[in-house]
Amino acid sequence: DVKVTQSSRYLVKRTGEKVFLECVQDMDHENMFWYRQDPGLGLRLIYFSYDVKMKEKGDIPEGYSVSREKKERFSLILESASTNQTSMYLCASRVGWADTQYFGPGTRLTVL
Amino acid sequence: SQQGEEDPQALSIQEGENATMNCSYKTSINNLQWYRQNSGRGLVHLILIRSNEREKHSGRLRVTLDTSKKSSSLLITASRAADTASYFCATDTGGGNKLTFGTGTQLKVEL
Repeated sequence: DVKVTQSSRYLVKRTGEKVFLECVQDMDHENMFWYRQDPGLGLRLIYFSYDVKMKEKGDIPEGYSVSREKKERFSLILESASTNQTSMYLCASRVGWADTQYFGPGTRLTVL
Repeated sequence: SQQGEEDPQALSIQEGENATMNCSYKTSINNLQWYRQNSGRGLVHLILIRSNEREKHSGRLRVTLDTSKKSSSLLITASRAADTASYFCATDTGGGNKLTFGTGTQLKVEL
């Protein structure tokens, strides 16, 4: 069974803290994605990676960075968390170009 | 505005009725996908329809695609309370290896 896991379901951090969100997939997928989801705005792509150590900016990369040292793991980093980064963060993976995406359960991050 | 936009934004129906949601998009696509999200959870893939297909079925789901109108519809027949969720369309334009999601339709199925 396909599985994408995220390190935390809920996270509360303070402004200025460095935040790591981790995502692991067990399907040997090349492509991994980080989205944020906000009411009325749908899902917006932050970063994606199509191979180990490769990354590409999505639509809203400002304030975020990513790391992909191993094929199964894709980390999202908030270097200095701000209140406007309070959101639901969703990780996804997929095997190829025209294929379905498999999502993790999401991490609801609150920055105080 | 978004590549994929769902309509309506919210829909409330009685159990047993059919639910229809629409998605419009702007640019040419390789495929269009529908996803479902239960409250506070991740998205689950429902169905994928390729640009050269016009209709696809999966259980109680029926998806149509009209590339000339750049639109798709998702029909859920004989809805159940468990179908209550948000439904998103996502378009794959083939550029950049990524999907673009709409803002979703919130479906509520009442007993």
